[in-house]
Amino acid sequence: GENVEQHPSTLSVQEGDSAVIKCTYSDSASNYFPWYKQELGKRPQLIIDIRSNVGEKKDQRIAVTLNKTAKHFSLHITETQPEDSAVYFCAASAGGGADGLTFGKGTHLIIQP
Amino acid sequence: EAQVTQNPRYLITVTGKKLTVTCSQNMNHEYMSWYRQDPGLGLRQIYYSMNVEVTDKGDVPEGYKVSRKEKRNFPLILESPSPNQTSLYFCASSTSRNTGELFFGEGSRLTVL
Repeated sequence: GENVEQHPSTLSVQEGDSAVIKCTYSDSASNYFPWYKQELGKRPQLIIDIRSNVGEKKDQRIAVTLNKTAKHFSLHITETQPEDSAVYFCAASAGGGADGLTFGKGTHLIIQP
Repeated sequence: EAQVTQNPRYLITVTGKKLTVTCSQNMNHEYMSWYRQDPGLGLRQIYYSMNVEVTDKGDVPEGYKVSRKEKRNFPLILESPSPNQTSLYFCASSTSRNTGELFFGEGSRLTVL
């Protein structure tokens, strides 16, 4: 089955700086890569996703890049703000495959004032 | 309002006392799933259901049961809870197992003494 590794487990950045979270996956058939954000005490919520037919996707201050050859994808957050503090989970799945969505273990992003 | 509702939100119980965590969604989603979240381990899937009367094991099904008698409901049953089932549980629903956005409930924090 799919295995998703996520790094780092904790990331501390100064407010206004950029943050990058990286994930690698093992199943070359995976073609859907979402990112979920979980604020303290709240439920995970989808913030952005990317499918294997594109290499990059942006939504305001967040972007996701995908390198299918290397089997890794990354979340980029620019101009970080206090409300970006949360745990971020990457995930991967092969659409139509036997396995569903496999999550990474999460990254705790801390925005220092 | 589209939502996934879980109950109870918090529960403290004792070893061996059967309990049920209910989950209901109002989005007419076919796919529903249960996850447990533990520090450092991320989100791990317990059971999932592709449709009414169709359920299957996830990555950590031991000690749990589920049922899907109606499309909107997907209860999680702990027949004989043990302390290692102390965790934060999330129910989620989606239009698709592999490539649809997961809508999570608010979570149920369970403590087994």
